[in-house]
Amino acid sequence: QKEVEQDPGPLSVPEGAIVSLNCTYSNSAFQYFMWYRQYSRKGPELLMYTYSSGNKEDGRFTAQVDKSSKYISLFIRDSQPSDSATYLCAMSAQTAGNKLTFGGGTRVLVKP
Amino acid sequence: GAVVSQHPSWVICKSGTSVKIECRSLDFQATTMFWYRQFPKQSLMLMATSNEGSKATYEQGVEKDKFLINHASLTLSTLTVTSAHPEDSSFYICSASAGTSLGNEQFFGPGTRLTVL
Repeated sequence: QKEVEQDPGPLSVPEGAIVSLNCTYSNSAFQYFMWYRQYSRKGPELLMYTYSSGNKEDGRFTAQVDKSSKYISLFIRDSQPSDSATYLCAMSAQTAGNKLTFGGGTRVLVKP
Repeated sequence: GAVVSQHPSWVICKSGTSVKIECRSLDFQATTMFWYRQFPKQSLMLMATSNEGSKATYEQGVEKDKFLINHASLTLSTLTVTSAHPEDSSFYICSASAGTSLGNEQFFGPGTRLTVL
């Protein structure tokens, strides 16, 4: 069993819809949780960075962490075709500047 | 700010040759650099962690004699794939961290696509 599980998708939504992504994990030591966006043949780009449980909002993005359930989510509101990419969750027992464990990534396609 | 570059962006080489990939932090000093590989439609797998001036720490299953990592300065790390074979063909991505001075984030490079014929 992988430490971090993420549905590979693809997840196809119409423009303007809410995109809902999630990851589950097994290592209770994880305290820092990140979401990255990766376009094809490019490096990952950090979208959200949260510590411990709770919610964090940044523009159209909302990240949620439920440590008791070992479950994290990312919501993208008012999705745009430019949001079409692969979204990777990542976690660390220390900060994001340390060793990260990635989920497998979910491919998202936002159709105009 | 916090830009990481990689060179080359793609490389094709013959089986048995060695290939060097450079990772540079352009506008900050990276105390730690990480090397990942990513197969098509798969996630990033950490290969090794390197701190400037120290030997790299390799993840389990990664051959340190095959994937040589040098972190000679606070802005440059290199990955050399020695005696490359077709199964080494992959997308190699580096990242760099400056610790607390830049919010404890990892900043990723654009990746290097290696194809071994």
